[in-house]
Amino acid sequence: DGGITQSPKYLFRKEGQNVTLSCEQNLNHDAMYWYRQDPGQGLRLIYYSQIVNDFQKGDIAEGYSVSREKKESFPLTVTSAQKNPTAFYLCASKGTGGGERENEQFFGPGTRLTVL
Amino acid sequence: AQSVTQLGSHVSVSEGALVLLRCNYSSSVPPYLFWYVQYPNQGLQLLLKYTSAATLVKGINGFEAEFKKSETSFHLTKPSAHMSDAAEYFCAVTPSGTYKYIFGTGTRLKVLA
Repeated sequence: DGGITQSPKYLFRKEGQNVTLSCEQNLNHDAMYWYRQDPGQGLRLIYYSQIVNDFQKGDIAEGYSVSREKKESFPLTVTSAQKNPTAFYLCASKGTGGGERENEQFFGPGTRLTVL
Repeated sequence: AQSVTQLGSHVSVSEGALVLLRCNYSSSVPPYLFWYVQYPNQGLQLLLKYTSAATLVKGINGFEAEFKKSETSFHLTKPSAHMSDAAEYFCAVTPSGTYKYIFGTGTRLKVLA
């Protein structure tokens, strides 16, 4: 079955450490996204990528970095510059080829990051 | 700028009662509209979407939503609530031709026995 996987499901980090969250999709989607979810705030866009080797900052990119070297993979690094990184992180992808599923975002199961 | 407003961060209904979750959007042109459901510690699952083909959209699990351009609304309904409907629901909008999605702040639905 096609889908999006995120790992790990739970991640603990000490202050001052960088951590990388994994996101992999086998849906052959061009576009991929990272969101941060905090209680009562909905989803906020961190970064998105429309195509391999290209990505754009979202609304809250400070303290985060991404890469898109492969179509299937869009890892997110939470750096020590992110002042309040404890949150639930969601990865999503979207096809761009038209058809019935056009404009639908598919989400991974999420990674819960806690800073100790 | 585009925005999405979900009225009511928490909604409680009795099992078997009507479910109504409200969503209003701001847009100069009709965008694509979505409703997603999220169960605790999980990702979001698409319930239904509006893409201008029909104003009344039917989704999974018995949910439906009606697009009303005059009211800039896309409210989610279900005639009879089930205990398994307890979850958080998000309304989202994406202007046509863009890659960005804007999400509402979510409505947590509680179903009372």
